[in-house]
Amino acid sequence: DAGVIQSPRHEVTEMGQEVTLRCKPISGHNSLFWYRQTMMRGLELLIYFNNNVPIDDSGMPEDRFSAKMPNASFSTLKIQPSEPRDSAVYFCASKGEASGYTFGSGTRLTVV
Amino acid sequence: AQSVTQLGSHVSVSEGALVLLRCNYSSSVPPYLFWYVQYPNQGLQLLLKYTSAATLVKGINGFEAEFKKSETSFHLTKPSAHMSDAAEYFCAVSEGSGGYNKLIFGAGTRLAVHP
Repeated sequence: DAGVIQSPRHEVTEMGQEVTLRCKPISGHNSLFWYRQTMMRGLELLIYFNNNVPIDDSGMPEDRFSAKMPNASFSTLKIQPSEPRDSAVYFCASKGEASGYTFGSGTRLTVV
Repeated sequence: AQSVTQLGSHVSVSEGALVLLRCNYSSSVPPYLFWYVQYPNQGLQLLLKYTSAATLVKGINGFEAEFKKSETSFHLTKPSAHMSDAAEYFCAVSEGSGGYNKLIFGAGTRLAVHP
């Protein structure tokens, strides 16, 4: 298995632009998590899905952030409009019923 | 809500010395506890996990951790540090019910290993 695949690995965008981060979980995993990592706040859980249904989005910072999971093999995290303070590394992780969490390599987002 | 506290944001040891990274948790129910390692510009890799079986858990790369309910601790140790152990280490607790288990992370401890 190729593991959790995130794209792009790096994204540089201008303030005000829309940014879409993508995640492909491990096949067979039924839970998917989006985390954000910054120096100031560490690893924060933004949202997680179970069987493609959002369970808890209380960590989503603002309405500018949205996440979808249209099917079991794909999820997106969208920021519109982006701001410099959104600069961070965004991680996706997936988990199966009988397996542990597997993290992707992350997307490093820089908003200038 | 469950939480974890990692004591010491930076730890520095000599190569060959004991590594001790501290983690305390708060939980009203028996928790699942994890240690992850993050190397520069990489994702998180699982070192070990406690899931209410043996209290002494052995992980990869020679690391182990002991669950102590009386102290609400889950400290990570390694008898002899290697230069390649330099990384950031995160303690995490699993929170949730009904199979929806989200991980709550501590702030992390950066381990430096010097010759």
